[in-house]
Amino acid sequence: GAVVSQHPSWVICKSGTSVKIECRSLDFQATTMFWYRQFPKQSLMLMATSNEGSKATYEQGVEKDKFLINHASLTLSTLTVTSAHPEDSSFYICSALDRGSYEQYFGPGTRLTVT
Amino acid sequence: QQQVKQSPQSLIVQKGGIPIINCAYENTAFDYFPWYQQFPGKGPALLIAIRPDVSEKKEGRFTISFNKSAKQFSLHIMDSQPGDSATYFCAARPIYNQGGKLIFGQGTELSVKP
Repeated sequence: GAVVSQHPSWVICKSGTSVKIECRSLDFQATTMFWYRQFPKQSLMLMATSNEGSKATYEQGVEKDKFLINHASLTLSTLTVTSAHPEDSSFYICSALDRGSYEQYFGPGTRLTVT
Repeated sequence: QQQVKQSPQSLIVQKGGIPIINCAYENTAFDYFPWYQQFPGKGPALLIAIRPDVSEKKEGRFTISFNKSAKQFSLHIMDSQPGDSATYFCAARPIYNQGGKLIFGQGTELSVKP
């Protein structure tokens, strides 16, 4: 149980285009989902917290107009990187909070490369 | 203070050894302390978690020791195997916000030599 999926697992896009990453909780309802970014050999950096049906809360320094987050249902959240640039290349990981146990489960991550 | 300090940054042990990873915190409002294991190119996986009402919790070969007065907790891996080679993250979350964000340590890269 407690599986979180992410799609795609990797994506290459050209500079200036937008990319959407999906995060789904497969066997539990997640009223809260989190999006992280991780650079090589570093810890997880929280980008934003999203609650189902409401606007996401962004961490300081994260551009909300660049990283659009939509939490449309209890099992799906999406992150759209708009007008991507090479410096947006990174490993993006979503996570979902199981309201039953209050434990937080992570997806497998999405490797984004912007050329 | 919202930080969680993790040490060591990297650790090498022989197969069968018992690596120990330590974390310290200052915020006494933290009441949930999970450990995550992350393999290269993968998302973190929840290993084991503890709350302050117990001093130790075991799940298989993984044990968390918790010292509330010292505000420290640690992960022990018994009979470590090469397959345990991964990066381990400790984390903490406050009691007043069970749906809120986890505060992560800096991570420990563990290598278990055959």
